[in-house]
Amino acid sequence: RKEVEQDPGPFNVPEGATVAFNCTYSNSASQSFFWYRQDCRKEPKLLMSVYSSGNEDGRFTAQLNRASQYISLLIRDSKLSDSATYLCVVNSIRGSTLGRLYFGRGTQLTVWP
Amino acid sequence: EAGVVQSPRYKIIEKKQPVAFWCNPISGHNTLYWYLQNLGQGPELLIRYENEEAVDDSQLPKDRFSAERLKGVDSTLKIQPAELGDSAVYLCASSATDRNTGELFFGEGSRLTVL
Repeated sequence: RKEVEQDPGPFNVPEGATVAFNCTYSNSASQSFFWYRQDCRKEPKLLMSVYSSGNEDGRFTAQLNRASQYISLLIRDSKLSDSATYLCVVNSIRGSTLGRLYFGRGTQLTVWP
Repeated sequence: EAGVVQSPRYKIIEKKQPVAFWCNPISGHNTLYWYLQNLGQGPELLIRYENEEAVDDSQLPKDRFSAERLKGVDSTLKIQPAELGDSAVYLCASSATDRNTGELFFGEGSRLTVL
């Protein structure tokens, strides 16, 4: 079973729409969680960290549900520039490995005018 | 401030040939990572360095892949011999601490095509 599972999409939404992505993780001992953004043929970049109490950054809201082991990202008022792949990332500690980041396969979002 | 620099950006080789990728991390970043990303997939860790020490290399296929980080700065990743299945993007990343807090700074990647 993969460490991080994401629905690959694609999600195609009009400008102004609200869209939500979820991902699940397998290791209940995972300690930290993130969303990265990757534009087509570019490198991944950190979008935001995900905190237990939930956190917001402008139009982006991230939520963590430890009991169900899932993470969500909500984008409100979608812009054309939000079109990208969103990668769910989990920091898990297994055995002697001092924390390793596991990336989901990403969810592709296209916002159309 | 300069970001993570990788070269070459693109490389096309025939199978069984060797290939090497180079990475220069952000100045002052002690932790360096090599990731492999296949089309439609997320990055997968190959190796992580803390300074010059490889602290996590369990995912590196050691029969054909090797890496080094001399003097704890630049790093090279080598494949010898390359196989068709090695075609992918090889991403280098660096971070400022050894606690793996989650903010990695990636280079633009080296796209390998094996024919």
